[in-house]
Amino acid sequence: DTGVSQDPRHKITKRGQNVTFRCDPISEHNRLYWYRQTLGQGPEFLTYFQNEAQLEKSRLLSDRFSAERPKGSFSTLEIQRTEQGDSAMYLCASSMTSGDGTQYFGPGTRLLVL
Amino acid sequence: TQLLEQSPQFLSIQEGENLTVYCNSSSVFSSLQWYRQEPGEGPVLLVTVVTGGEVKKLKRLTFQFGDARKDSSLHITAAQPGDTGLYLCAPTNDYKLSFGAGTTVTVRA
Repeated sequence: DTGVSQDPRHKITKRGQNVTFRCDPISEHNRLYWYRQTLGQGPEFLTYFQNEAQLEKSRLLSDRFSAERPKGSFSTLEIQRTEQGDSAMYLCASSMTSGDGTQYFGPGTRLLVL
Repeated sequence: TQLLEQSPQFLSIQEGENLTVYCNSSSVFSSLQWYRQEPGEGPVLLVTVVTGGEVKKLKRLTFQFGDARKDSSLHITAAQPGDTGLYLCAPTNDYKLSFGAGTTVTVRA
């Protein structure tokens, strides 16, 4: 399967702990996006990379959140000092800059902060 | 900021019935995408509509784009349990997608 993969699929943590999620995009895609989705809502944009450069961060991305894409391939999203309000599905998507730019989504990481 | 409204929020129907969900905006879409998201999975692109008045068909799904490009609808004929999911619309004015809240469709067998 050459789609977008995310790991882990589920994460339960206690408030105050740090968590890190990984996204592996489709190999030839140079753009990578992170979204957050809470219950009953559509996904909300968090940040995106073109190759290794992080080009935009949403205001939703507080200073407890950091994302990296060190080699322009996989990406990590870290949340420090988690809060209960961070509980959500974290979705990764990737696309090419050429063509129609369609974003292909991974299955997401569901985070529950107790 | 483009405000998106999707309606209805929830829809529960019997297998074999038809349904329509709507996506409306306060401003013009350059183009619009429809996605379906199954529980526990990421959204999957169904279609992109680009031209005002455009109608696209994908098997039992019919997508319409309003003439003014401010609204769109998705009609499903003879719904099946496999159509169950969250239907999301998103304009493609920007590299980042700004989704509506979606319509949760449940098709009962």
